[in-house]
Amino acid sequence: GQNIDQPTEMTATEGAIVQINCTYQTSGFNGLFWYQQHAGEAPTFLSYNVLDGLEEKGRFSSFLSRSKGYSYLLLKELQMKDSASYLCAAMDSNYQLIWGAGTKLIIKP
Amino acid sequence: DTAVSQTPKYLVTQMGNDKSIKCEQNLGHDTMYWYKQDSKKFLKIMFSYNNKELIINETVPNRFSPKSPDKAHLNLHINSLELGDSAVYFCASSQGTGNSSPLHFGNGTRLTVT
Repeated sequence: GQNIDQPTEMTATEGAIVQINCTYQTSGFNGLFWYQQHAGEAPTFLSYNVLDGLEEKGRFSSFLSRSKGYSYLLLKELQMKDSASYLCAAMDSNYQLIWGAGTKLIIKP
Repeated sequence: DTAVSQTPKYLVTQMGNDKSIKCEQNLGHDTMYWYKQDSKKFLKIMFSYNNKELIINETVPNRFSPKSPDKAHLNLHINSLELGDSAVYFCASSQGTGNSSPLHFGNGTRLTVT
């Protein structure tokens, strides 16, 4: 079956760096997305990776290893507003998105 | 200038009632979706429409009926509401299908069935 695994919850300190991991198993693969979802709000797009390697976008970077079925989202210089859930979603061979349950990130002062 | 807007934001109703949720997008996207997010936060695709035509219809009770009058609108009608229908329903849109275009979500409709 198709599956996404990511940690349920993580805690980090303001100003620090945190890495949120995601492993996926899909029938075929057409890329991996990261979304941010603040409590009570809509998910918003952060990044898309389809080739191996690191994509940097400001304080946020996303990494993909297709051979390992693995991705991570790296958040630097954490701010209180980064407290949110981070959703990993892999796109299968039919371009269907398989979603993880999200990682709730708690930032402490 | 809201990109994807859905109404209402909150919906509290009793079992057995029929209700509708409306969604509109002004992004010029071809594809629209309905997702259900349950208490465990999993996002589950319910329906997808491309240019007003149904392209995805996941295993959803036939009490749920989407309607797309044009490619900018995708409404969701729910008959005979049940307790298990309580969830947050998100409308979303993307440019085309079968590609890597990201989804743009509406702010969600929190449905509570009592």
